Amino acid sequence: QKEVEQNSGPLSVPEGAIASLNCTYSDRGSQSFFWYRQYSGKSPELIMFIYSNGDKEDGRFTAQLNKASQYVSLLIRDSQPSDSATYLCAVMGYALNFGKGTSLLVTP
Amino acid sequence: DAGVIQSPRHEVTEMGQEVTLRCKPISGHDYLFWYRQTMMRGLELLIYFNNNVPIDDSGMPEDRFSAKMPNASFSTLKIQPSEPRDSAVYFCASSLSLDTQYFGPGTRLTVL
Repeated sequence: QKEVEQNSGPLSVPEGAIASLNCTYSDRGSQSFFWYRQYSGKSPELIMFIYSNGDKEDGRFTAQLNKASQYVSLLIRDSQPSDSATYLCAVMGYALNFGKGTSLLVTP
Repeated sequence: DAGVIQSPRHEVTEMGQEVTLRCKPISGHDYLFWYRQTMMRGLELLIYFNNNVPIDDSGMPEDRFSAKMPNASFSTLKIQPSEPRDSAVYFCASSLSLDTQYFGPGTRLTVL
């Protein structure tokens, strides 16, 4: 069983701060990594993907990948209350394996 | 272009009844996925199709579950007979490749 682990949270950060979400995975052969955002009662929405070691930036979001340590992280700069959601990490193996998500709460 | 369409959005049924969930993928997407999401188990892949052919159904919990994709624009997930433990949100997703998947709004199923 290929595992994708996330801290369930909730992770609480004040508005304007940096939120850091982490994910570890067990399949060393994984090549593709994804972050989905899921608002309460809604479907998962793809926000970022990363394939190579290092950082990938998209607006306020930065995905970081370290294949040697088998972790991927998502940084959200200048966090806003509208960022409050559950963030799902997904790792591509034979199929896309999802973690159970980290709940993020951004407080005004 | 419209996203993934699912129906119904909510379904309440009694134990033992047959339930059919429907999905229309994004036009041109070759892959279609069915997921189930619960608080306890998170998001679980049930089955996926490539070009209308079932590729991996290892996530289907038992014989009570079946899925079909008769054409490129329609898929169904059927539960017969339904049980209370089947209560969950069922998502359909589609993609051009295995990885970058786009999810439908989901069907919230409650089995009494």
